[in-house]
Amino acid sequence: DVHLVESGGGLVQPGGSLRLSCVASGFTFNDYVMSWVRQAPGKGLEWVSAMTGSGDRPYYADSVKGRFTISRDNSKNTLYLQMNSLRADDTAVYYCAKGAGYLDPWGPGTLVTVSS
Amino acid sequence: SYVLTQPPSVSVAPGQTATITCGGSSIGTKSVHWYQQKPGQAPVLVIYFDTDRPSGIPERFSGSNSANTATLTIGRVEAGDEADYYCQVWESSSDQHVFGSGTKVTVL
Repeated sequence: DVHLVESGGGLVQPGGSLRLSCVASGFTFNDYVMSWVRQAPGKGLEWVSAMTGSGDRPYYADSVKGRFTISRDNSKNTLYLQMNSLRADDTAVYYCAKGAGYLDPWGPGTLVTVSS
Repeated sequence: SYVLTQPPSVSVAPGQTATITCGGSSIGTKSVHWYQQKPGQAPVLVIYFDTDRPSGIPERFSGSNSANTATLTIGRVEAGDEADYYCQVWESSSDQHVFGSGTKVTVL
């Protein structure tokens, strides 16, 4: 069974930083593109970033480019999202998801709250 | 940037058919994927590559895609189908995933 579990969320002040992790199991991790998707409270889904299986090509949404950095450690089956210069509108549940064209499955998510 | 347009809400009586549209410029030339999200839960893939159903998804869920509109159809709607539904494409010109705004399906 494919399993994804995010961690690292929490409360952070505006301008602060946070690193999210997503541990994967049940599949050959380095064979797959992995993505981060977020959902602000009461809002829809917003794709944030993706990384190729080998870790050599990141992709970013315009809203996070220059502030967020995606990375992965294939030896640990773990995907990361380093979030810097956080703003109130970054407040959301952050999900990791497996796949390139379509995203399946998704982890349960981790909540990031940016507030003073 | 590429925009996907969905109706905010669809209401349907049990046993009837729910139709959810996803509009986008020449969306028929792209692969469209659909997700179901129930309150407090992560999204679940229900249709991929326009028409394919993942294992475990009932045959009542079907998809189509042509011209400027993709459609998710839920036949013989049940109370358990009440959820938010999102369409999604990979936009190759900008190398970004794009999600529709979501449609809330209410079972009357």
